[in-house]
Amino acid sequence: EIVLTQSPGTLSLSPGEGATLSCRASQSVSSNFLAWFQQKPGQAPRLLIYGASIRATGIPDRFSGSGSGTDFTLTISRLEPEDFALYYCQHYGSSPPYTFGQGTKLEIK
Amino acid sequence: EVQLVESGGGLVQPGGSLRLSCAASGFTFSDHYMDWVRQAPGKGLEWVGRIKNKANSYTTEYAASVKGRFTISRDDSKNSLYLQMNTLKTEDTAVYYCTRIKLVPHRAFDYWGQGTLVTVSS
Repeated sequence: EIVLTQSPGTLSLSPGEGATLSCRASQSVSSNFLAWFQQKPGQAPRLLIYGASIRATGIPDRFSGSGSGTDFTLTISRLEPEDFALYYCQHYGSSPPYTFGQGTKLEIK
Repeated sequence: EVQLVESGGGLVQPGGSLRLSCAASGFTFSDHYMDWVRQAPGKGLEWVGRIKNKANSYTTEYAASVKGRFTISRDDSKNSLYLQMNTLKTEDTAVYYCTRIKLVPHRAFDYWGQGTLVTVSS
């Protein structure tokens, strides 16, 4: 089972600043099958990035993903008020379980 | 527009059973794998299980925590996904989400329902 560890646990920033969220895997993620989700209170998660760097449909270009192997990053440039939320990474490779990281809370400073 | 609508959640006693449903629309349901993901109150996301499409023999996969107790099925004629939950435990209390899986090569979880709450308590 691949264990995903996200850091930091909480990130406090101001609107307009840039954010960098990290996701480290316990073993290499095959074919970069790594996704990022955003979740707001009371809502379902929303797919932001898949394939480590491919933006999902309708996702603004201020969201970008990078990385390979065991280290992945979600970058949000120029934070908007609606970006403050929980963020999860997940691997969806060829074998289950398709585990999630524990999440990073992005809060307004 | 892709829509996934879960139903069937509620309060059940430990050891009891519950069947969740997910009604899909806005896409060719039969082409896609479908998964269930859950989220305990105030906690993170946990993958529950998957059912593949007809081309892949409707194969199912389960998380270790639910294997042998939960069963995923689908009815492509009704565009519906199901989760039969038996021998429920208090730790199964969670919001259960139905999710669509993208077609190859990236089987990412691209659409989610709004979730249905299952509470296991005496």
